[in-house]
Amino acid sequence: QQPVQSPQAVILREGEDAVINCSSSKALYSVHWYRQKHGEAPVFLMILLKGGEQKGHEKISASFNEKKQQSSLYLTASQLSYSGTYFCGANQAGTALIFGKGTTLSVSS
Amino acid sequence: NAGVTQTPKFQVLKTGQSMTLQCAQDMNHNSMYWYRQDPGMGLRLIYYSASEGTTDKGEVPNGYNVSRLNKREFSLRLESAAPSQTSVYFCASSPGTGSNQPQHFGDGTRLSIL
Repeated sequence: QQPVQSPQAVILREGEDAVINCSSSKALYSVHWYRQKHGEAPVFLMILLKGGEQKGHEKISASFNEKKQQSSLYLTASQLSYSGTYFCGANQAGTALIFGKGTTLSVSS
Repeated sequence: NAGVTQTPKFQVLKTGQSMTLQCAQDMNHNSMYWYRQDPGMGLRLIYYSASEGTTDKGEVPNGYNVSRLNKREFSLRLESAAPSQTSVYFCASSPGTGSNQPQHFGDGTRLSIL
């Protein structure tokens, strides 16, 4: 069952912050985050494992609350290069990932 | 480094024709995946192969077959193409299927079925 991402779309100006949420109706072993630019392949950002850890990648970080079966992606001081579609992938049964429908982020100058 | 290579990059088919999409990875990964991406639907898993010699259905397997030819190659076949199969197809690979294994994607095949 696909995890639910919110919001569906975000519009920002450079320097603003954004939060993208991912929630699952089933227990999660891990959450993956990927970014896809228009016309390109998805690119891996980070993995969050059970234990509530928070990870970072440049000015992008994420958290994982396994009790709530939720993960959030935090984009701080956004740059033009952050534009794209962000997907969370839920590892719900320890095997293949199930991806959400994506959140489109548009950053303008 | 080539990573994951998909062929062809573009293809137009007529309804009822058959087609095989090819995927090869040079990272010595054990696991490989086929996804389709449609507007507003995200990435949906068609089939995956956890290791050489095994394949399993994903979320949307109907109308497709796969073959894990060897450790490097994983192909996706449409036996009788339908317009509903018009999509962008991505192949991906990962070291394994464990929860801490990132996936690496190919550039995709854009398939149109008329």
